[in-house]
Amino acid sequence: EPEVTQTPSHQVTQMGQEVILRCVPISNHLYFYWYRQILGQKVEFLVSFYNNEISEKSEIFDDQFSVERPDGSNFTLKIRSTKLEDSAMYFCASAGARTDTQYFGPGTRLTVL
Amino acid sequence: RKEVEQDPGPFNVPEGATVAFNCTYSNSASQSFFWYRQDCRKEPKLLMSVYSSGNEDGRFTAQLNRASQYISLLIRDSKLSDSATYLCVVPYTNAGKSTFGDGTTLTVKP
Repeated sequence: EPEVTQTPSHQVTQMGQEVILRCVPISNHLYFYWYRQILGQKVEFLVSFYNNEISEKSEIFDDQFSVERPDGSNFTLKIRSTKLEDSAMYFCASAGARTDTQYFGPGTRLTVL
Repeated sequence: RKEVEQDPGPFNVPEGATVAFNCTYSNSASQSFFWYRQDCRKEPKLLMSVYSSGNEDGRFTAQLNRASQYISLLIRDSKLSDSATYLCVVPYTNAGKSTFGDGTTLTVKP
């Protein structure tokens, strides 16, 4: 069964550093998403991406964040200057024709020290 | 009203019990609804989708009440492996932005 993959599984970084989280969506999917989940809290939408551009973003997704699909398979989330409060699990998701049915990757746990 | 609000839980039930969770949503225009299951520190996994009045899959039944804007998840004959957090998810836009509830934690005990 096809699945979404994410790397790394855990990233530790110093405050102020840039991080890039990587995702490989399901191969025939066209819609891509990033969500985050702070420990003990609910899953929160960050951004959706379709046809090489952002479709929608939340208020969390400020200028420190960017997304890119650099080639035909990867989908990345960059945080330019990490803050302590960016520590969370970041989930990538993808969807096919039905944008409401999303499949999640295993997540990257980001720890900002 | 919160966009998506779930029973706070936690629910602790014995094996074999029937348990139901409720979820209310604020956007009356929403057309589809989902239940995901999330195990500790893992990704949400799609459990069931609901597009009309309801959906059944084995021991799991999801029902939708559009007039009252709530969906429910019923688990019959619960098993130890059903222990998890159950997330109610409502897509709010055509771009696929999905709003998650806080989750309801279920623990099934022997």
